[in-house]
Amino acid sequence: DTAVSQTPKYLVTQMGNDKSIKCEQNLGHDTMYWYKQDSKKFLKIMFSYNNKELIINETVPNRFSPKSPDKAHLNLHINSLELGDSAVYFCASSKAVSDTVHDEQFFGPGTRLTVL
Amino acid sequence: QKEVEQNSGPLSVPEGAIASLNCTYSDRGSQSFFWYRQYSGKSPELIMFIYSNGDKEDGRFTAQLNKASQYVSLLIRDSQPSDSATYLCAVIPFTGGFKTIFGAGTRLFVKA
Repeated sequence: DTAVSQTPKYLVTQMGNDKSIKCEQNLGHDTMYWYKQDSKKFLKIMFSYNNKELIINETVPNRFSPKSPDKAHLNLHINSLELGDSAVYFCASSKAVSDTVHDEQFFGPGTRLTVL
Repeated sequence: QKEVEQNSGPLSVPEGAIASLNCTYSDRGSQSFFWYRQYSGKSPELIMFIYSNGDKEDGRFTAQLNKASQYVSLLIRDSQPSDSATYLCAVIPFTGGFKTIFGAGTRLFVKA
């Protein structure tokens, strides 16, 4: 029973292409996140969604567009991929039902994106 | 100044020793503090969380929080080779709401 799943696990593509990463959680959580982890292992939040509503958008380029069709899913579409987009992208979820409730986050296995 | 700072390490300790991992944060109003462990090639997983000043113990792990000094630490007693990983300090700032800020992580090596 996978709690937070992501597809694909690996993604290798050329500069300029458009790609999507999908995330699903079966924990019944209200909040989902996208993080980028660069080569130095620094984990940086990109977006957070609560009940399908965008809450946090951390000055991410417009080429990145998240979409949450329902509470259990949060997808990430990336247009015009650049070399600097190469990283591991983690999806996560938490119970957090409001900004005053701070719960642990459960992470997906990550998607390693390589842009050539 | 980085919002959450950790010594990147690597920190190397012999098996059975106490490993001490430290973290400082800049937002004085931060309320929630977490330690995540990340094995190479894997995703982060929660080790401990702490909300109040003082110590919190869970098995071989102890988290310590000092809000006045804006400092949080993780002690690992009786360190095992399986503890070798990167430890990420995470803080939810006062204004962060649904935002969690991670430190860059400290790499720990436990030598058998």
